[in-house]
Amino acid sequence: GEDVEQSLFLSVREGDSSVINCTYTDSSSTYLYWYKQEPGAGLQLLTYIFSNMDMKQDQRLTVLLNKKDKHLSLRIADTQTGDSAIYFCAEKQAGTALIFGKGTTLSVSS
Amino acid sequence: DTAVSQTPKYLVTQMGNDKSIKCEQNLGHDTMYWYKQDSKKFLKIMFSYNNKELIINETVPNRFSPKSPDKAHLNLHINSLELGDSAVYFCAAQDRASYEQYFGPGTRLTVT
Repeated sequence: GEDVEQSLFLSVREGDSSVINCTYTDSSSTYLYWYKQEPGAGLQLLTYIFSNMDMKQDQRLTVLLNKKDKHLSLRIADTQTGDSAIYFCAEKQAGTALIFGKGTTLSVSS
Repeated sequence: DTAVSQTPKYLVTQMGNDKSIKCEQNLGHDTMYWYKQDSKKFLKIMFSYNNKELIINETVPNRFSPKSPDKAHLNLHINSLELGDSAVYFCAAQDRASYEQYFGPGTRLTVT
């Protein structure tokens, strides 16, 4: 398909791990991104991974990339209420702007 | 200092008017973008621009036009505003060498 796909909603309890999944479209995509958008705010770049990597870890965030299946995931360890937001997966193909998924709304309950 | 700034943050206007949204980046990046986020939070590229090339998403009406007075600015002009133009518009800047793309805070446009 032509769309970057994400599940629309995820609900977790505080302290649990969250895993947000994404399927992207183009195996030639060079970089894959995760952005966070809090209510009424802009997009904050959380992390990105180059297409020749399988994993990237940054503090509580772990990004896994399965290039064969064109699958990207973001794991947030020890999820906090402040992590509640919309998380966008995006891919960058050569010479183009970012192509975004529809966003996953993460709801964290205490 | 804010890396990518937009003005105004909110814009309410009537159908048929012409309006502009300004974007400035102090990152020194060579490529800038405009994105539109609709009421369902879907984000779509509108334009990408560097000092050599403008790439227009073919779905963008020609009522929308980006204008870049210099490398640090990419303004968005919209003519004959329509109800369907109501959305949040985001400017972004990217350094080709790093592939990091940074977004402005957004401008919420409401057309009545």
